[in-house]
Amino acid sequence: GAVVSQHPSWVICKSGTSVKIECRSLDFQATTMFWYRQFPKQSLMLMATSNEGSKATYEQGVEKDKFLINHASLTLSTLTVTSAHPEDSSFYICGYVRGRITNMLNTEAFFGQGTRLTVV
Amino acid sequence: GQQVMQIPQYQHVQEGEDFTTYCNSSTTLSNIQWYKQRPGGHPVFLIQLVKSGEVKKQKRLTFQFGEAKKNSSLHITATQTTDVGTYFCAPRYTGRRALTFGSGTRLQVQP
Repeated sequence: GAVVSQHPSWVICKSGTSVKIECRSLDFQATTMFWYRQFPKQSLMLMATSNEGSKATYEQGVEKDKFLINHASLTLSTLTVTSAHPEDSSFYICGYVRGRITNMLNTEAFFGQGTRLTVV
Repeated sequence: GQQVMQIPQYQHVQEGEDFTTYCNSSTTLSNIQWYKQRPGGHPVFLIQLVKSGEVKKQKRLTFQFGEAKKNSSLHITATQTTDVGTYFCAPRYTGRRALTFGSGTRLQVQP
């Protein structure tokens, strides 16, 4: 299957600092990537859809100025949590679909290993 | 948008017992996918259902898509400890690119 590399796998940062999470698709050029946040024993909540070469589409309630997403190439998307607070502590996961979204077929998604962020 | 609910939220079974999780949407779906997430891991794709009434099997796993394309189920026959994890449905809606997940069902299997 396709491989997605997410880095770092865990990070601890101080309140007020920024953290960048990288997500690379290793064997596929992804035009669309997804970023999720997952709290313990809860589902994955979609934060934004990252589009290569254009602005990300954020879900309702997600602050675009706080969670900066950059998808500058077909193999790399980054999520930067700016001015982190303890309530931002969570598990962040990236993912991309292998097929074309437009035809809704063959849209199996592949996910990175996740990044556990702890803000102290 | 509103998250699709899965029931049950949590199930604890003895190894060898069957398990079923249900995913219910209030609106018609284009298709639906299922994923499994092991504790501490990331979601892994299991299956995609597209047609009304579709049934697909993967060894001990049986997936169904309702006739109205509003609900789906995953049934595991004779659970094993390797089945432990959280099972998520991922409903897909026409015209919507985002991939969202249901609330999930956490399965615990007692050896």
